[in-house]
Amino acid sequence: EAQVTQNPRYLITVTGKKLTVTCSQNMNHEYMSWYRQDPGLGLRQIYYSMNVEVTDKGDVPEGYKVSRKEKRNFPLILESPSPNQTSLYFCASRGHDGYEQYFGPGTRLTVT
Amino acid sequence: DQQVKQNSPSLSVQEGRISILNCDYTNSMFDYFLWYKKYPAEGPTFLISISSIKDKNEDGRFTVFLNKSAKHLSLHIVPSQPGDSAVYFCAASSPNTNAGKSTFGDGTTLTVKP
Repeated sequence: EAQVTQNPRYLITVTGKKLTVTCSQNMNHEYMSWYRQDPGLGLRQIYYSMNVEVTDKGDVPEGYKVSRKEKRNFPLILESPSPNQTSLYFCASRGHDGYEQYFGPGTRLTVT
Repeated sequence: DQQVKQNSPSLSVQEGRISILNCDYTNSMFDYFLWYKKYPAEGPTFLISISSIKDKNEDGRFTVFLNKSAKHLSLHIVPSQPGDSAVYFCAASSPNTNAGKSTFGDGTTLTVKP
């Protein structure tokens, strides 16, 4: 089954404690993105990747890091989380010949 | 500056009637538009799309209309069903920039009452 998986689904942490949210897709897609969803602000792109070892900033990259060492994986790293990063995070992927994205189920992050 | 706007945060319709969800955009470079549907505790799923060379695209009960001069698109659901109750996001892409990144609206919560 074609899918994008994210882990963990829920995470409560404290300010400053480094964390990683994993994302994996099994569709051999070139493009992958991370989004955050906040009330009244829709889905905003954090980072995206066009292929292995090729990443770039989206609209709200501050406080986040990403890496793309393998085509299927695109982890999101918060080196020093802060309460304003409390949000719902989605990973997404798409192939090179289409514009529709496939989204993971989301990770609800709370930073206290 | 929000480039894609869905001005109605919510919409409630009766089962069997038409649902019309609206979306406006400001960037004239957008040339591909998509609608996604999102249920609670799930990620958005692709619903229907339209290229700027068309003004209408239909898929079963779902039709998207594009008015380029007005920079406006709409999603029509006919007939609406209770299972259509979800948040609908409009998205726009410029395929030749930023690897075809999509810019999303805030979403409209549709409730279809039985």
